[in-house]
Amino acid sequence: NAGVTQTPKFRVLKTGQSMTLLCAQDMNHEYMYWYRQDPGMGLRLIHYSVGEGTTAKGEVPDGYNVSRLKKQNFLLGLESAAPSQTSVYFCASSYGKGPYNEQFFGPGTRLTVL
Amino acid sequence: KNEVEQSPQNLTAQEGEFITINCSYSVGISALHWLQQHPGGGIVSLFMLSSGKKKHGRLIATINIQEKHSSLHITASHPRDSAVYICAVRAPYGGATNKLIFGTGTLLAVQP
Repeated sequence: NAGVTQTPKFRVLKTGQSMTLLCAQDMNHEYMYWYRQDPGMGLRLIHYSVGEGTTAKGEVPDGYNVSRLKKQNFLLGLESAAPSQTSVYFCASSYGKGPYNEQFFGPGTRLTVL
Repeated sequence: KNEVEQSPQNLTAQEGEFITINCSYSVGISALHWLQQHPGGGIVSLFMLSSGKKKHGRLIATINIQEKHSSLHITASHPRDSAVYICAVRAPYGGATNKLIFGTGTLLAVQP
């Protein structure tokens, strides 16, 4: 099993460009999450999904959109990238929502917006 | 003030030393997680606990719910333990999501 994979691993964008980050998991998990990690701050939740076809906003959703058309995939889109979106993005998945449901993280995508 | 505070932010130790990383939180929780992030790498879960103590190899995690405090201990530290250690707390039951609130992490460097 590959676990949680993310594509791409690195990307440089110019301000105003758009892109989509792909997260895929092969563990049949219901819950999927997108986080961003910035220096001096803890991981912050952007959007999450509690099942195929559902999405919901997290703490910092502005400037991002998501889709969960298939259970195994969770896409994060930036329609018009801004320098403030320079960050490392992590996708995670979990089987359920109970307190002991471990979240499995992908390797991260390092995004730079110039 | 962050809901989850970790100390120290940075820690340098010599190989073999006993290491303690602390996590304090200000919200009610149903569980606390310790995670490890290697440089340039992904994030893996080390422990999930809501009371008492858990041990895995040289790692020990404890939690005191009344004091809203948890510690991660590493015995006989080794350079391969060098990583960022992240504390995260889970909201109480009834939440709509499996939401975690993360600390900013403790960067540990173990020198040979």
